[in-house]
Formats: sequence, C-alpha cells, structure tokens
Amino acid sequence: ETGVTQTPRHLVMGMTNKKSLKCEQHLGHNAMYWYKQSAKKPLELMFVYSLEERVENNSVPSRFSPECPNSSHLFLHLHTLQPEDSALYLCASSQGGGTGGSDTQYFGPGTRLTVL
Amino acid sequence: SQQGEEDPQALSIQEGENATMNCSYKTSINNLQWYRQNSGRGLVHLILIRSNEREKHSGRLRVTLDTSKKSSSLLITASRAADTASYFCATDGGRDMRFGAGTRLTVKP
Repeated sequence: ETGVTQTPRHLVMGMTNKKSLKCEQHLGHNAMYWYKQSAKKPLELMFVYSLEERVENNSVPSRFSPECPNSSHLFLHLHTLQPEDSALYLCASSQGGGTGGSDTQYFGPGTRLTVL
Repeated sequence: SQQGEEDPQALSIQEGENATMNCSYKTSINNLQWYRQNSGRGLVHLILIRSNEREKHSGRLRVTLDTSKKSSSLLITASRAADTASYFCATDGGRDMRFGAGTRLTVKP
C-alpha cells in the first residue's frame, strides 16, 4: 500500500452518464495529481493541485472536471465522455507544496474506466 | 519536451539474468526517477538520481545518469519472475514530472 487510495477500481459508463472518481491520500502531502494512462502511450498529466489550488491543466477537455476540497482528497468529475476516454486513471500525491516537480510521487492503484 | 523515452519497449529474459533499460530525454533536468508498474496497478517509486550524481544503487537496482548524453539506464541484477512489470523513467525539469511510455520487462522462470 502506498498510502493513496482510489475508488472505484473499475467503472463502466455510457457516454451520457455523469460519474466521479475519488482519490484520498493519507500521507500528509501537499500536492495531488491526476494522470491518464492509455495502452502503449506515455502517462498523460491531466491536473495538478498544490495546497488545494489548481496549478496545471494540460489542455484537458472540459468533460473532465477536477475538484480538490482539501489537501487529502481529489475528485475527477466525468460527464458526456467519449469511448476514447477509456483508460486507467491514476491519482498521485507528493510532499511538495509547490508544483512538486522534483518530488517523489506516490500513486494510487488507479480506476479502470470503460466508456461505452 | 522533457519527457523521457524508454528503450527497449519490451524485454524478455530468463530468471537470474540481468536486465538493462535505457531512458533518453531532451532538456536539462534536476533529477530523474525510475518507477515500476505491475499490470493494471499504480506506479511505485524505485529510485531517484539527481543531476549531479552519476550512479546510484538500491538493492539489486543500479541506475546511471549521463547528463552530457541526456540518458539514464536502469540495471536489475539477478532478475526474478516477480520483477516482471513495466518500468518508467520520469524526468523533472523543475515544474512537473513527465513519464515515458515504459519498458515492459518479462522475466521467465
């Protein structure tokens, strides 16, 4: 266990559904991240939160909406997704209070998302 | 892009052999990290090497960094079947980390 949990572990949704992914870290870290991992592609950094403020949004479509209510929790709200959004969504946290680029990141187990 | 690129994409060896994976990157970095991912799971941090270091060891892992060639290598000695996983390098240019597509290592019993 890395101290980062994600729920649900698996999610199947239709293109018109609305769902949310949840991430919780028990490490007292200040930065949290959402990544998308598609088959045979590099990990894509989606969002970075540092001290509960969004510091990076890598041109992610608006059908993905992050929320960070406190430093321990991170959500990814999903609506009107496309089949190409099917992937493993990974959450991570790191100690850094800044962008955390130099810090070791601790990953959750991921949510396997399938969009029908 | 400061994203690392791993080579080879896939590697298959027998248990007991050594496995070497390489990572190349394009811009200057503060540090480089290696991570491991078992199938369908999250990534686990293995080792971090700073830009002023040339070599680092951790158990059966040996990492080298050549900043003049913008490359790093990860050596796993005396491999075991349990080492079967994907291995990623992540480069840090100061703002955030960027991961490559990984090397898929298979260790046959």
